[in-house]
Order: sequence, then structure tokens, then C-alpha cells
Amino acid sequence: DAMVIQNPRYQVTQFGKPVTLSCSQTLNHNVMYWYQQKSSQAPKLLFHYYDKDFNNEADTPDNFQSRRPNTSFCFLDIRSPGLGDAAMYLCATSRSRGSHLRYTFGSGTRLTVV
Amino acid sequence: SQKIEQNSEALNIQEGKTATLTCNYTNYSPAYLQWYRQDPGRGPVFLLLIRENEKEKRKERLKVTFDTTLKQSLFHITASQPADSATYLCALGSFSSNTGKLIFGQGTTLQVKP
Repeated sequence: DAMVIQNPRYQVTQFGKPVTLSCSQTLNHNVMYWYQQKSSQAPKLLFHYYDKDFNNEADTPDNFQSRRPNTSFCFLDIRSPGLGDAAMYLCATSRSRGSHLRYTFGSGTRLTVV
Repeated sequence: SQKIEQNSEALNIQEGKTATLTCNYTNYSPAYLQWYRQDPGRGPVFLLLIRENEKEKRKERLKVTFDTTLKQSLFHITASQPADSATYLCALGSFSSNTGKLIFGQGTTLQVKP
């Protein structure tokens, strides 16, 4: 089945130690999004790629970076995780741009910072 | 600033009854409104989309209404079942930006009791 896969499901990292979360998709969608979701809060968009075109949200901290080496894969890098970065990180895809298009989400990566 | 509000208190209903969830927004002119279901520790799953010029949309036991004058959407689940217990998120997209970005509410948790 076509899907969005996030690895790992759970990630524990040390304070200040760089960490990378990965997302892959078999849907061949043009757009990939990264959201941060803290407990009982709305998912917050960090950035997205439209093909290779990177779009950062104005309030996304510089500590968060992303790479999309090809259509299928997208990575979220947190350069120096702080305790406040502990959250669920959700990857989503959509076929193209346009808010009439549904998102397909992965199962998320739960990040713990110790 | 743009704001999306969903009832943060959990909604508890008896099996077989109709659940009604509310999504209100301010300082926003959405062209589309989407509803997603999110189970604990999982990514959101798309349920329904409604356009600004549509008053109502149905899919099986689900019904969504969209009132751009009241700036509100209502999400109904008829003949609710314990399996419907989850958090339901509304998400808005606008015409003003064609990036396809969706802004999410924080969700309302529904508990259906047998």
C-alpha cells in the first residue's frame, strides 16, 4: 500500500546532541511537510518542500533544518535539541499545492530529550 | 492574528447518540476546511473536506457543515460507536496563499461509552 513512513517511531536524544528524523513516501507526492505537535496542542508547521523548493515558516527556530535528497525522502535535523523540543514530529505529504488537497500523514516520531 | 478554536474539553457521549464537534476561526478567510481523526500516538487521518461555497458534506455516518458568516464548522458523527473515540482536528486552508498549507486546530477528544 502507498504510504508515508516515519523512522524511528520513538527517539531519545541527549540535550544538545544532533538528531535526525526521517520520512519516506511511496505516493510520489510533490509536497512534503514537517509538523511539530506537543501534547494536546495543534500540529505546528515547521517547513515544507514543494519538489526541491524549500519553504521555511517564519517562526521556525534556526535549530531545525530539513533536507529532501529526492522525491521519496525527507529528513528533519535538530542541531542542538533542547528540552522544549520534546514533541511528536509528523511528516505529511500532498499531491501538489492547494489546500483542497488532503494530507497523508506518517505515524509520527516521538522525540524525548534527556 | 489567525486563530482556530476547538473545544479543548473532551466530549463524552453514549453509544448510539450523535456527537457534534465545533471548529471556530477568526481573522481568517478559508477556502477549504478539512477534518482529520487522530488516534493516540498516531498521525492524523483525513476524513472530509468542505469548500467555502458548500453548506454541508456527508460521508457515511459523518456530516460536516461550514458557515462562513459565523466562521464556524460543525462535525457530526451519527450513531456513534466506541470505535469513534479519538481526537478530531479541523484544518483550514486559504486562497490567499496557494502553497497548500493547512493550519490545524488543537483538536477535540471524543469518548464514546458503550
